[in-house]
Amino acid sequence: EADIYQTPRYLVIGTGKKITLECSQTMGHDKMYWYQQDPGMELHLIHYSYGVNSTEKGDLSSESTVSRIRTEHFPLTLESARPSHTSQYLCASSESSGGLQETQYFGPGTRLLVL
Amino acid sequence: AQKITQTQPGMFVQEKEAVTLDCTYDTSDQSYGLFWYKQPSSGEMIFLIYQGSYDEQNATEGRYSLNFQKARKSANLVISASQLGDSAMYFCAMRDTGGGNKLTFGTGTQLKVEL
Repeated sequence: EADIYQTPRYLVIGTGKKITLECSQTMGHDKMYWYQQDPGMELHLIHYSYGVNSTEKGDLSSESTVSRIRTEHFPLTLESARPSHTSQYLCASSESSGGLQETQYFGPGTRLLVL
Repeated sequence: AQKITQTQPGMFVQEKEAVTLDCTYDTSDQSYGLFWYKQPSSGEMIFLIYQGSYDEQNATEGRYSLNFQKARKSANLVISASQLGDSAMYFCAMRDTGGGNKLTFGTGTQLKVEL
């Protein structure tokens, strides 16, 4: 089971502020993901990375950006937060097994509220 | 396009009883993997069980088992001997090669275990 950490757990911030959501994992997993989830709804993939210096956009369009400078670290940044960004953001990682059984392990999530 | 359908928005079960959470999927691939995750109110996603499309036996993990009916494209989660701590949101997810090996999640089922 992966050890994956997200900070902050909760964030309340005003419109127009720049924010960075942190995600770190200690298992050396190559692949990392960011999902967005509205309350009681399904998860939508917004960004993923298959290794250092590799980032791709997911299925759901997002104004956020990500970077992957180190294997263990995959931060997500919003340059100018808006109320429409209010949601829960979940980070996940997986080992590159190359197979369909590859399991994603999730962090505790960050609940963002933009006023 | 791959799709996951969970038709039960909410389910109630009495403690110590068994409960089945429904999941149907749609894919044109022959090779795919099915996952179930649990999401307590605290927000993290906890991996429960995996079933591969070529697995001949239904997957089991402790009190969790997967009732896999390939011809019907269903992958229902069975929780035996329900406990109060099982109260959570449960998500079915699928990965197939047509989806770029990414996970697609259903809308989830909210399970409430009662005394």
